[in-house]
Amino acid sequence: GIQVEQSPPDLILQEGANSTLRCNFSDSVNNLQWFHQNPWGQLINLFYIPSGTKQNGRLSATTVATERYSLLYISSSQTTDSGVYFCAVESSGTYKYIFGTGTRLKVLA
Amino acid sequence: GAVVSQHPSWVICKSGTSVKIECRSLDFQATTMFWYRQFPKQSLMLMATSNEGSKATYEQGVEKDKFLINHASLTLSTLTVTSAHPEDSSFYICSARGQGKQFFGPGTRLTVL
Repeated sequence: GIQVEQSPPDLILQEGANSTLRCNFSDSVNNLQWFHQNPWGQLINLFYIPSGTKQNGRLSATTVATERYSLLYISSSQTTDSGVYFCAVESSGTYKYIFGTGTRLKVLA
Repeated sequence: GAVVSQHPSWVICKSGTSVKIECRSLDFQATTMFWYRQFPKQSLMLMATSNEGSKATYEQGVEKDKFLINHASLTLSTLTVTSAHPEDSSFYICSARGQGKQFFGPGTRLTVL
């Protein structure tokens, strides 16, 4: 089945810094979403981005489907950005979402 | 936007008992729902695909007799953990497909004593 790897696995930033999270996937996909999992476990949808670039405030994402990767950019990070970020892909031919390995982000005040 | 709910949000039970978790799509119909399990500090792992009106399909390594799934209507899927044991303690999340996207429930935290 499709493999989804995220990097880095852990990231510590000072408040105000910028960061880039990467998601690599091993096969073609129909859909891709980025999530932030809050401390209570709830998945907060950040972007639905099977291809192209989107921006929402301090966050933006780019997916290059032909090269099988997606990037999540966080600018001017805040302590509230701390948590785990997951990408999830829907592999072609199925409706199943496969989650990446996650990036655990900690933003220090 | 589309909303998926889960009930209960948390449950504690004794070893050997069965626990039922409900997943509902509140404002859309979902012919397909999915169940995931997440252990502490790990990613979400797909357990099974729930199809309305037919049997669920399970991922490799998931015991279908232990994790019973019923998708009785277009808005409700249930996961029953039968004869639960401490190793079944986990965070269970469902999702429902609608409008070409997937929407995730808030999760159910199961603790088996």
